[in-house]
Amino acid sequence: EAQVTQNPRYLITVTGKKLTVTCSQNMNHEYMSWYRQDPGLGLRQIYYSMNVEVTDKGDVPEGYKVSRKEKRNFPLILESPSPNQTSLYFCARITRPQHFGDGTRLSIL
Amino acid sequence: GDSVTQMEGPVTLSEEAFLTINCTYTATGYPSLFWYVQYPGEGLQLLLKATKADDKGSNKGFEATYRKETTSFHLEKGSVQVSDSAVYFCALSGTSGSRLTFGEGTQLTVNP
Repeated sequence: EAQVTQNPRYLITVTGKKLTVTCSQNMNHEYMSWYRQDPGLGLRQIYYSMNVEVTDKGDVPEGYKVSRKEKRNFPLILESPSPNQTSLYFCARITRPQHFGDGTRLSIL
Repeated sequence: GDSVTQMEGPVTLSEEAFLTINCTYTATGYPSLFWYVQYPGEGLQLLLKATKADDKGSNKGFEATYRKETTSFHLEKGSVQVSDSAVYFCALSGTSGSRLTFGEGTQLTVNP
């Protein structure tokens, strides 16, 4: 069964303290993506990756970094988090139809 | 660029009522269209999809028809249940397949 696993599920932290949200998939898929979900805005794509070492910006990449050193993992990095990055984040396998992880709720104080 | 517009919510219905959630889109070419559902505390699950004009997607009693002439993909269900309470997202995927463009989401609450 295809799985996309995110960690942590919940995190409360403070402004400026670097954090990483991990994402792993078990189907050797090439295409992966990160989204954030905000009330009234739906989901917006942050970054996506078509293969190892191949990443590209989505609609709202500012303040985020990603890494794709191996096919299985696609971490989202917030080097200096700010309160406007408080949101619900989803990692997804892009292949149609897209398959989403269970989400990570970040609160930046 | 691509965009998706959903009807304003939230929507509150009584059990066994008829449901319609409107969705219209703007896109170049021939996108694929999707409805996703998000139950409380969970991620998104694909509910149904349609990949070309006049296709009808259906699942769990929900239906939506890809109408290219009206650029719409409205979600319908003849008789909702309390267990259908969730947030519903309309989305499209362009020809590149590298992203989904989502609507704002519609919160549905079904009361017994």
